[in-house]
Amino acid sequence: ETGVTQSPTHLIKTRGQQVTLRCSSQSGHNTVSWYQQALGQGPQFIFQYYREEENGRGNFPPRFSGLQFPNYSSELNVNALELDDSALYLCASSPLSGQNTEAFFGQGTRLTVV
Amino acid sequence: SQQGEEDPQALSIQEGENATMNCSYKTSINNLQWYRQNSGRGLVHLILIRSNEREKHSGRLRVTLDTSKKSSSLLITASRAADTASYFCATARGGSARQLTFGSGTQLTVLP
Repeated sequence: ETGVTQSPTHLIKTRGQQVTLRCSSQSGHNTVSWYQQALGQGPQFIFQYYREEENGRGNFPPRFSGLQFPNYSSELNVNALELDDSALYLCASSPLSGQNTEAFFGQGTRLTVV
Repeated sequence: SQQGEEDPQALSIQEGENATMNCSYKTSINNLQWYRQNSGRGLVHLILIRSNEREKHSGRLRVTLDTSKKSSSLLITASRAADTASYFCATARGGSARQLTFGSGTQLTVLP
């Protein structure tokens, strides 16, 4: 166990709906990143938050948005869900100090869009 | 888009044998990391090798890095059935070391 918790573990939504996924980072970690992992693929970087601000973004449209709270927990919001948004969404936290640090991943939220 | 590719995509070996997975990447990096994933669950960090290192060991794991060829390999010695999982390499670029770019993974099956 890494100390990074995500909720919910599974979710089914209808195309066009909106969804919010939640992540609690590991104690002492102030950076949170979100990844999307389609079936059979490696995770793809969505964005990263540091001190409540977006600090880097991957190739995802604006309907993917996020928040980070003062306690460093984070939310991922996806609007106007599409079938291709069905994936495992992973949250990872890491300490700021140093560049050569590992990321600690949660168990993920499995989102299915029907 | 993926940074690079793991090779092979799938590997099946007998318990006790060694397993070698390769990873290629495209851009300059600060470090390269290997992660393991069981059955679509969260990723577990295995080992990190910095761009100025050539080889690193951790238990039954041995990682090499060749920055001139933009490639890395992960060797698992004396494999066990519990090593069955997907293995991913991930690169971290300068200035954004916590934004990882993953390969497509190697599915390792260790037969008892």
